[in-house]
Amino acid sequence: EDKVVQSPLSLVVHEGDTVTLNCSYEVTNFRSLLWYKQEKKAPTFLFMLTSSGIEKKSGRLSSILDKKELFSILNITATQTGDSAVYLCAVETGSNYKLTFGKGTLLTVNP
Amino acid sequence: GAVVSQHPSWVICKSGTSVKIECRSLDFQATTMFWYRQFPKQSLMLMATSNEGSKATYEQGVEKDKFLINHASLTLSTLTVTSAHPEDSSFYICSARAPGGMDTQYFGPGTRLTVL
Repeated sequence: EDKVVQSPLSLVVHEGDTVTLNCSYEVTNFRSLLWYKQEKKAPTFLFMLTSSGIEKKSGRLSSILDKKELFSILNITATQTGDSAVYLCAVETGSNYKLTFGKGTLLTVNP
Repeated sequence: GAVVSQHPSWVICKSGTSVKIECRSLDFQATTMFWYRQFPKQSLMLMATSNEGSKATYEQGVEKDKFLINHASLTLSTLTVTSAHPEDSSFYICSARAPGGMDTQYFGPGTRLTVL
């Protein structure tokens, strides 16, 4: 059975702090690892990672994948209250592109 | 990016009734659509994979006779929750993947189902 484990499950920081969210996985037929941000509604796409060691960056967010150690991290620098959300890690597998999600990390950024 | 819509965005129904949720890819054709369920404070759980023109593939533990999926065209998949009960109350989210490619899944906005 495919497994995706995120840590921590929740995190409270102050504005301006830097946070690192972790995602480890054990799956068959890995295709890619994805990060999503979920606020009130459906998840919004952040990053898709397929190759080890190549950092993807978007503004204050960045992410990297280690396919040897089977994990990924999502970094957010200079956090803002608008970053408060659940961050979901998902791994895409197989010929049918199935996504297996972790439980998410609830990030709360206080002013 | 690609847009996926869902309708309705929320629905309240009585126990025993059936509810249909539509998922549409608005600006691309999707050979594969996925249906997820999310209970409060939990992550998304894949219910089934819907392929255009063929029967859906259900995940273990999901009753195919209760959650009927139809993917009749490349832009529309429907999920019908038959004889809904209060324990079916949940947030149902669909996603769509464009054929052939390297793109990721695009999620619809979700449908909040409440069964009284």
